[in-house]
Amino acid sequence: DAKTTQPNSMESNEEEPVHLPCNHSTISGTDYIHWYRQLPSQGPEYVIHGLTSNVNNRMASLAIAEDRKSSTLILHRATLRDAAVYYCILQKTGANNLFFGTGTRLTVIP
Amino acid sequence: DTGVSQNPRHKITKRGQNVTFRCDPISEHNRLYWYRQTLGQGPEFLTYFQNEAQLEKSRLLSDRFSAERPKGSFSTLEIQRTEQGDSAMYLCASSLGASRSLEQYFGPGTRLTVT
Repeated sequence: DAKTTQPNSMESNEEEPVHLPCNHSTISGTDYIHWYRQLPSQGPEYVIHGLTSNVNNRMASLAIAEDRKSSTLILHRATLRDAAVYYCILQKTGANNLFFGTGTRLTVIP
Repeated sequence: DTGVSQNPRHKITKRGQNVTFRCDPISEHNRLYWYRQTLGQGPEFLTYFQNEAQLEKSRLLSDRFSAERPKGSFSTLEIQRTEQGDSAMYLCASSLGASRSLEQYFGPGTRLTVT
């Protein structure tokens, strides 16, 4: 499975935008880019996914580099409830499971 | 609440005992997954079902582990002769069929402590 690289931790001030980076230099053409997050004492939660184009939903935006070797999850206004571990995951089309790494622990400062 | 539910939420057992966990997926989801998560690590895939058929098993799923989904609805994960290394959070997730398998919905997990 293609590997992703994320910073271990990041901090953000409340109500400011957060850009969470992910490198995936060995991505193949059929790999989807997923983001999940895990709040303390909860199971992971789907955030967003994309293939080639940038994506927006109610939770976040996903910006994908033109060569697809990196992507950025954008939280437009961080709140205290966004403090979580964020996982960037590559999934091949038709694959049935998700391979989580260790993710980025986001701390939101009031 | 129509999300994925897991029972029990916590289980403490002595080494060598058997334990069984239950997962109730979102009702219209035909795919069900089990993952294991140890402290400081991301979840690791164990196995997955499509309806009642167990279609994939990870190498992490030793002979002491067995999972069932008898009627294609709820699932159970049994661990026989538990070992201290089995202490972890066991997570269940479900998803719609193949076209939507990219979005998995997770339950809150069952935390197992083997003493």
